[in-house]
Amino acid sequence: DTAVSQTPKYLVTQMGNDKSIKCEQNLGHDTMYWYKQDSKKFLKIMFSYNNKELIINETVPNRFSPKSPDKAHLNLHINSLELGDSAVYFCASSLTGGADTQYFGPGTRLTVL
Amino acid sequence: AQSVTQLGSHVSVSEGALVLLRCNYSSSVPPYLFWYVQYPNQGLQLLLKYTSAATLVKGINGFEAEFKKSETSFHLTKPSAHMSDAAEYFCAVMGAGGTSYGKLTFGQGTILTVHP
Repeated sequence: DTAVSQTPKYLVTQMGNDKSIKCEQNLGHDTMYWYKQDSKKFLKIMFSYNNKELIINETVPNRFSPKSPDKAHLNLHINSLELGDSAVYFCASSLTGGADTQYFGPGTRLTVL
Repeated sequence: AQSVTQLGSHVSVSEGALVLLRCNYSSSVPPYLFWYVQYPNQGLQLLLKYTSAATLVKGINGFEAEFKKSETSFHLTKPSAHMSDAAEYFCAVMGAGGTSYGKLTFGQGTILTVHP
């Protein structure tokens, strides 16, 4: 059983479209995260949720909106996609947040044409 | 504020040789420090972490790292490289308190190549 799963694995879309990436964890963790890894492999946190409550919100355009329907799921919706949004997006989870080990999903490679 | 600098974007070693990947950090509060490994087309996997207990931390796959506060360093080592160690390695810092608590800040990564 995959601990942290993401769908889709690859996403190719046109500029201006709206798309969603889904993330699910079956580890029973309370905290989930979204990270963006750019073309230079630089990895930066975007959001963090603890028990469906937003606790970290980095400087991310309003076009990005996370949604957590329950503590096992954290989805990322992106409106009006731009070329610069092309990246690999990783979901992660940890038991309670803080310094707990973060377990990463396999990533979603988003390409905006 | 916190940041991580990994010295050397590429490191190449022979199989059986010592692996040394360098990481220096900056943090305005006492840090927690992490090393993650990323294999091609996969997510990140934790190798080891320092959370203010022993300064020498042992991780998976024979890796270890030593926290040196005076040098603001957390270098990753492995005595003998294996072909399967070839991957990209990321050092990360998290403040042990304040606004950076719970927030990992990653370095730019070091690609390790192991040749026969």
